[in-house]
Amino acid sequence: DTGVSQNPRHKITKRGQNVTFRCDPISEHNRLYWYRQTLGQGPEFLTYFQNEAQLEKSRLLSDRFSAERPKGSFSTLEIQRTEQGDSAMYLCASSLVVGTNEKLFFGSGTQLSVL
Amino acid sequence: AQSVTQPDIHITVSEGASLELRCNYSYGATPYLFWYVQSPGQGLQLLLKYFSGDTLVQGIKGFEAEFKRSQSSFNLRKPSVHWSDAAEYFCAVGAGNRDDKIIFGKGTRLHILP
Repeated sequence: DTGVSQNPRHKITKRGQNVTFRCDPISEHNRLYWYRQTLGQGPEFLTYFQNEAQLEKSRLLSDRFSAERPKGSFSTLEIQRTEQGDSAMYLCASSLVVGTNEKLFFGSGTQLSVL
Repeated sequence: AQSVTQPDIHITVSEGASLELRCNYSYGATPYLFWYVQSPGQGLQLLLKYFSGDTLVQGIKGFEAEFKRSQSSFNLRKPSVHWSDAAEYFCAVGAGNRDDKIIFGKGTRLHILP
């Protein structure tokens, strides 16, 4: 069990550029979440997958955001035409849902700074 | 939809004193409840969780939490805090089924006085 891995750890970009983050969940975990966390706030839910199916997207997720989880393994979160308001820590978490039992394991996050 | 409220943004206690962090939730059915801790520069770590059964839940690092359905609360407690407990604490609620998500409160930052 190597934990949830997120890359890159830090990303600095200019406004208007596209960025893509990657999350590798714990192997065999069937659920994967993306959260966004700004300074002094709790993780805000963005979207989540059950295997390869995207089950829900938050209203926070504008059309500039897209997430994929091909083959139900790793996931990518892309932000197009970045804005300064997108600056935040993007957290990925995975879990193995067995019956009704679920426990989230978090990655260390990707810190995005939009200049 | 479920929601979580942590009414205290900051809490300051002296080392060795007892601690209680408040969490109130809103959910239409029996919730699944969690407490996570985030130390500066660290990822989120699960302290404890409540799914069913005994309403007093024991977690790691000497923490416990009590689920009170009548008050829609899941407060976190520790009888004697240590300086290393200074961190941000997040309460979270899930629906406990395969078709819903876990959401977090805004957090309570705990400060420890020497």
